[in-house]
Amino acid sequence: DVKVTQSSRYLVKRTGEKVFLECVQDMDHENMFWYRQDPGLGLRLIYFSYDVKMKEKGDIPEGYSVSREKKERFSLILESASTNQTSMYLCASSDYGGGGYTFGSGTRLTVV
Amino acid sequence: QKEVEQNSGPLSVPEGAIASLNCTYSDRGSQSFFWYRQYSGKSPELIMSIYSNGDKEDGRFTAQLNKASQYVSLLIRDSQPSDSATYLCAVTGYQAGTALIFGKGTTLSVSS
Repeated sequence: DVKVTQSSRYLVKRTGEKVFLECVQDMDHENMFWYRQDPGLGLRLIYFSYDVKMKEKGDIPEGYSVSREKKERFSLILESASTNQTSMYLCASSDYGGGGYTFGSGTRLTVV
Repeated sequence: QKEVEQNSGPLSVPEGAIASLNCTYSDRGSQSFFWYRQYSGKSPELIMSIYSNGDKEDGRFTAQLNKASQYVSLLIRDSQPSDSATYLCAVTGYQAGTALIFGKGTTLSVSS
């Protein structure tokens, strides 16, 4: 059926590790997004991409980078994981017209 | 900083009643408006989109938009216990036009 797949549902990493979160969509969407969701803070945009090899910073890009080498895949990279990056990470995609998002099931990352 | 404001709730209604969820946004340039439903432990799911002033109905759901007042609402008629969830309001607000700013959500509880 769908549609947006995040590679891991739960992930535990150590402080200082480089962490890769993968997201793949099969809807041929141009736009892809990474958010984190924390209690009391809601969904906050980390990075987004509206085309292959293009990226734009969101509200909280510090400590993160992204890669989009193919249209269907958008990776979030935590360069050196820290405990304050413990969160639920949500990937989403939308079509060129800017319609509503389809979300992946999320990755709950714990950094210890 | 562009913002989307929602009353966090909880909003409690009896089964069969109308639930009214409200949202205000700060960016007058926002063009697209969405309501998402998020069950506990799950990712958000798009339930309504609205792009022009007025009402839009889909089954038991009605979205209302008033751009002059920068106000969006969601009405749920004949509320069911299965409607118990957090409802997120989202609006376009970034330079690329497609990335969404989310409110922190309103928790709805429908009692049987």
